[in-house]
Amino acid sequence: AAGVIQSPRHLIKEKRETATLKCYPIPRHDTVYWYQQGPGQDPQFLISFYEKMQSDKGSIPDRFSAQQFSDYHSELNMSSLELGDSALYFCASSLGLRLAGGLNEQFFGPGTRLTVL
Amino acid sequence: KQEVTQIPAALSVPEGENLVLNCSFTDSAIYNLQWFRQDPGKGLTSLLLIQSSQREQTSGRLNASLDKSSGRSTLYIAASQPGDSATYLCAVFNTGGFKTIFGAGTRLFVKA
Repeated sequence: AAGVIQSPRHLIKEKRETATLKCYPIPRHDTVYWYQQGPGQDPQFLISFYEKMQSDKGSIPDRFSAQQFSDYHSELNMSSLELGDSALYFCASSLGLRLAGGLNEQFFGPGTRLTVL
Repeated sequence: KQEVTQIPAALSVPEGENLVLNCSFTDSAIYNLQWFRQDPGKGLTSLLLIQSSQREQTSGRLNASLDKSSGRSTLYIAASQPGDSATYLCAVFNTGGFKTIFGAGTRLFVKA
């Protein structure tokens, strides 16, 4: 079965550079979530999209932005990178609340490991 | 503001033992609760999802229960195996939004 695809899997950047992470949800899934997981920490919710519209926002810095495109893939854009942005970034997708009996079960991608030097 | 707590933070058991992992949450207005497994440096694997109207879900040796009124969920693992060693996370999806709050996880080590 198709899973959530994230690219790149690993990314190394310098401070103050920009990075773009991509997420391709499971086919037919209409909801995408982004999470940040620092070393030894639990995943922190950043932002979510439902049917290409932002649906909720968590602890996402103003330096970060994201969008969901017409094909439902999503991109997380990170600017002015800081050392503290080094983390695993997960994307998850689900079939939204409107369908599938409202299960909204989230399936996670393998993550992108971002290292900021 | 929803807060999710998992107890214990770490657990070491001999192979074959049955064990219970606990998750509590402060806001009972949840849509569902999901248990995940995470191996070191890897992604999250969904184990069980319980909708707010359900009391429990079972998959193989795993059984998850939900008591929404008391803000508690448990993950029961029967006949533990060394391959079960991982971090187990519970996550709560609240009503009225698309935000998921995770607990800090329970790090499980099953000794052969």
